[in-house]
Amino acid sequence: EAQVTQNPRYLITVTGKKLTVTCSQNMNHEYMSWYRQDPGLGLRQIYYSMNVEVTDKGDVPEGYKVSRKEKRNFPLILESPSPNQTSLYFCASSPDRAERGNQPQHFGDGTRLSIL
Amino acid sequence: SQQGEEDPQALSIQEGENATMNCSYKTSINNLQWYRQNSGRGLVHLILIRSNEREKHSGRLRVTLDTSKKSSSLLITASRAADTASYFCARTSGNTGKLIFGQGTTLQVKP
Repeated sequence: EAQVTQNPRYLITVTGKKLTVTCSQNMNHEYMSWYRQDPGLGLRQIYYSMNVEVTDKGDVPEGYKVSRKEKRNFPLILESPSPNQTSLYFCASSPDRAERGNQPQHFGDGTRLSIL
Repeated sequence: SQQGEEDPQALSIQEGENATMNCSYKTSINNLQWYRQNSGRGLVHLILIRSNEREKHSGRLRVTLDTSKKSSSLLITASRAADTASYFCARTSGNTGKLIFGQGTTLQVKP
């Protein structure tokens, strides 16, 4: 089944304790990105990747890191999480960077992070 | 704000009725997409309409796009309880692939 898989789905942790949210897609998609969803602010892009070893900042990259060493994986790293990073996070992918603006994106089921 | 506006914010209807949601945006678009989000789940793509298209259908869904008014609408006909969800319009612009989402419309379909 074609899917984007995020882990963990839920995490409660404390300020400053490094964490990684994994994202994996099995559709051989070139484009992947991370969004966070907050009440009243909607979904905002954190980082995106057009292909392996190519990543770039979205609208709200502060406090996050990403890597794209393999096509299928795009982990989101919070080196020193803070309470303002408490949010619902989504990973998304789409097929072809040449058509990246004109293709639907496939979303994971989300990761709910609570930073105390 | 880059984000579009969706209207209404919340909509409650009876099963079998039609539901219409509207989306407005401020800048030029390559395309406009509609997504559904069930409670606690990820977003599911419904329809993509390109800037040179005016109307598109998919099953019980009908999307219109008026680029002169910078607006789009999503019509769900003969709604079902399973249509209860939040619906978002999203646009891409430029070539980064970034989706810019509206605030969403929460639809409740009562059995």
